[in-house]
Amino acid sequence: QVQLVQSGAEVKRTGSSVKVSCTASGYIFTNYGITWVRQVPGQGLEWMGGIIPVFGATNYAQQFQGRIMMTADKATTTVYLEVNSLRSEDTAVYYCGVSPGNQLLRWLEPWGQGTLISVSS
Amino acid sequence: DVVMTQSPDSLAVSLGERATINCRSSQSLFYGSTNKNYLAWYRQKPGQSPELLISWASTRQSGVPDRFSGSGSGTEFTLTISSLQAEDVAVYYCQQYYSFPLTFGGGTKVEIK
Repeated sequence: QVQLVQSGAEVKRTGSSVKVSCTASGYIFTNYGITWVRQVPGQGLEWMGGIIPVFGATNYAQQFQGRIMMTADKATTTVYLEVNSLRSEDTAVYYCGVSPGNQLLRWLEPWGQGTLISVSS
Repeated sequence: DVVMTQSPDSLAVSLGERATINCRSSQSLFYGSTNKNYLAWYRQKPGQSPELLISWASTRQSGVPDRFSGSGSGTEFTLTISSLQAEDVAVYYCQQYYSFPLTFGGGTKVEIK
């Protein structure tokens, strides 16, 4: 079945960077997009952006422009989210999700299990 | 940005009773050329990732129980759970995919009364 498996939790210092992976299986990787959403503990869902792996095309939320990068490795069917200049406010669970078709203007299903990134000084 | 507003923030419903969650968008999510509303609903059980329930405002995802239904058009949408089950204790979110950035409602927490 379609599945996304994310990398494990990490603890980071403010100002550092983190790279979260999301490995897809069970479907044709280049036929779908991957979207990233984060959730601060106890709060709601925030869209960060997405990538269309077949093209490498990305679309980022304005508040993250210049601070995040999404890349895709078609050989390993893995998408990466890199977040730079980490702040304490970036402490959250980061989710990846499949966007149907080569479209980012869609829903997400399924979602990965989430990766907790904790940022402190 | 399209602002999504859900109500209520939380509700407590008896097992077997109906739960109704509302979602309002700051602009219409109806796209005339496709005749569709670009709205999805998710359920997030405690400690789990969100799961898609409904897309296109009213199309139930495969495997989703038929007690879940979505309705509405334009800027006003509703998710109805016709007969609440214990496994429906969760936070429910609406999400628009009409335009970037994708945006979510603030969530509605559903509990058992």
